[in-house]
Amino acid sequence: RKEVEQDPGPFNVPEGATVAFNCTYSNSASQSFFWYRQDCRKEPKLLMSVYSSGNEDGRFTAQLNRASQYISLLIRDSKLSDSATYLCVVNLLKTSYDKVIFGPGTSLSVIP
Amino acid sequence: EAQVTQNPRYLITVTGKKLTVTCSQNMNHEYMSWYRQDPGLGLRQIYYSMNVEVTDKGDVPEGYKVSRKEKRNFPLILESPSPNQTSLYFCASSPGQGAGTGELFFGEGSRLTVL
Repeated sequence: RKEVEQDPGPFNVPEGATVAFNCTYSNSASQSFFWYRQDCRKEPKLLMSVYSSGNEDGRFTAQLNRASQYISLLIRDSKLSDSATYLCVVNLLKTSYDKVIFGPGTSLSVIP
Repeated sequence: EAQVTQNPRYLITVTGKKLTVTCSQNMNHEYMSWYRQDPGLGLRQIYYSMNVEVTDKGDVPEGYKVSRKEKRNFPLILESPSPNQTSLYFCASSPGQGAGTGELFFGEGSRLTVL
């Protein structure tokens, strides 16, 4: 089983739609969680961190369920500019460093 | 401007011809790392460095070498490239001792093709 799994998609949604991505992780010792966004052939960039209590940044809401070991990202009122691949990122705290594990990504296309 | 700079951005080479991909960051970050990205496999860590003269293997280190003689630079060396090293490579840096404690800042990527 992969350490971090995501539905690869693609998710094709119309403008204005709400779309949700899920991510599961296998190591219960995972400490911190992030969503990164990667545009086609570009570098990944941090979208938002994911906190235990859930957090919101404008149209984006991230949730964490430690008991079930999954993370979600909800995008409301989708824009064309939201088209990208969304990477789920999990951090394991080792004894002297953090190990960062990337999921394979979920592709989103927002259609006019 | 705060950034991570990789060179070259694109390279086509032949099997066995040694090459180096440079990475430089101007943010005084302690942590630097190299990743490769392949379709369906996501980003996989090759090597990372916690600080000057401190480097360690990631998940896929075979066929690669790194060095960290200065804080700002973290070159990736392919001593004898093979076709299975054809990939998109990203260098990243982060403040603090671990990438998970802070945001990872990525370079723009280096697309390498080995014939």
